[in-house]
Amino acid sequence: EAGVTQFPSHSVIEKGQTVTLRCDPISGHDNLYWYRRVMGKEIKFLLHFVKESKQDESGMPNNRFLAERTGGTYSTLKVQPAELEDSGVYFCASSVGRGRTEAFFGQGTRLTVV
Amino acid sequence: AQSVAQPEDQVNVAEGNPLTVKCTYSVSGNPYLFWYVQYPNRGLQFLLKYITGDNLVKGSYGFEAEFNKSQTSFHLKKPSALVSDSALYFCAVREAGGSYIPTFGRGTSLIVHP
Repeated sequence: EAGVTQFPSHSVIEKGQTVTLRCDPISGHDNLYWYRRVMGKEIKFLLHFVKESKQDESGMPNNRFLAERTGGTYSTLKVQPAELEDSGVYFCASSVGRGRTEAFFGQGTRLTVV
Repeated sequence: AQSVAQPEDQVNVAEGNPLTVKCTYSVSGNPYLFWYVQYPNRGLQFLLKYITGDNLVKGSYGFEAEFNKSQTSFHLKKPSALVSDSALYFCAVREAGGSYIPTFGRGTSLIVHP
């Protein structure tokens, strides 16, 4: 079974540019989550999809971040325009259920804004 | 509100010795607790979880964790450390009946010396 796949693995962009991160969850997982970890700090929740619907986007830092999940399959997270403080590792995770079930994580996208 | 603390940024242990990675939590009700491990250039991998039942939970790679309600702790343990256990370990908690989104700790870097 394929795991959660994220692309790209690394991205270096200049301040003000746009970057789009992609996540392919495990097939059949309705729940998809985006998280971000800034160096040395907690893994912070960004948002949660159930199929194609945004269930919880309370962790999105501001309106420069836009997430979509077309057809309830893969998801994209766009940052436009990128700022220096957006640098970090962006993780995607998926799960079959919620609550008691563990999530399966991708390898992350390391975003560096210079 | 739910929160989790990993008081040690780094734990050093000699190969063959027992290891402990500490985690304490705070929730209003009953907790669901999780441990994840991140190896270099990899995503987070699920190790074990406590939902209900026996306080001692056994997980992957010989790891176990003990749920202690009175001390609000869920320390990760292994009787004999391996060099290959060197990685970043994250504790996570969510409140039963509360938000579906777990809160993660800052992570603890475990270094096992040969």
